[in-house]
Amino acid sequence: DVKVTQSSRYLVKRTGEKVFLECVQDMDHENMFWYRQDPGLGLRLIYFSYDVKMKEKGDIPEGYSVSREKKERFSLILESASTNQTSMYLCASSSFRFESFFGQGTRLTVV
Amino acid sequence: AQSVTQPDIHITVSEGASLELRCNYSYGATPYLFWYVQSPGQGLQLLLKYFSGDTLVQGIKGFEAEFKRSQSSFNLRKPSVHWSDAAEYFCAVGLNNNDMRFGAGTRLTVKP
Repeated sequence: DVKVTQSSRYLVKRTGEKVFLECVQDMDHENMFWYRQDPGLGLRLIYFSYDVKMKEKGDIPEGYSVSREKKERFSLILESASTNQTSMYLCASSSFRFESFFGQGTRLTVV
Repeated sequence: AQSVTQPDIHITVSEGASLELRCNYSYGATPYLFWYVQSPGQGLQLLLKYFSGDTLVQGIKGFEAEFKRSQSSFNLRKPSVHWSDAAEYFCAVGLNNNDMRFGAGTRLTVKP
């Protein structure tokens, strides 16, 4: 089975901190994604990557950056966390025909 | 604007009753279509997918969905709902640039 692992289930950070969310997949997928999930808004795409060192902005990239130095790992970085970035963050990977596999999610609270 | 619409934010059905969750999309070409389910505090699990061919697709857990090109719809159905089906359901479309877009979700409550 495909496994997508997010490094933390729950995180609490202070305003202004630099935050790293890590995601690792074990199926050699080309594509990896970071989504943000908020009630009533569904999943919104922050960034995606279709290859090592490649990245594309999604719908809401402001305040975020990403890094993909290895194929299996895709990191989301909050350069200076703010309270409006409190949310559930979901990582996904895909290969054939966009069928995405998701991690368990990281619930981030910024205080 | 291009979008994925799930008109029902919350649906309540009785256990054993039938279920239909609606999904409409507004993209030019027929995209790849998916339904995902999310249990509380969990990630998303793929229920079923449509790429081409037979417009009625079967998925896991007894779910099925029908693609109707004329209506730009991909509604999810289940003939008899179980209490364990209570969850949030997301419709999604796969676009040409390795991108996937999701609807806002429909939360399903199952009454005993």
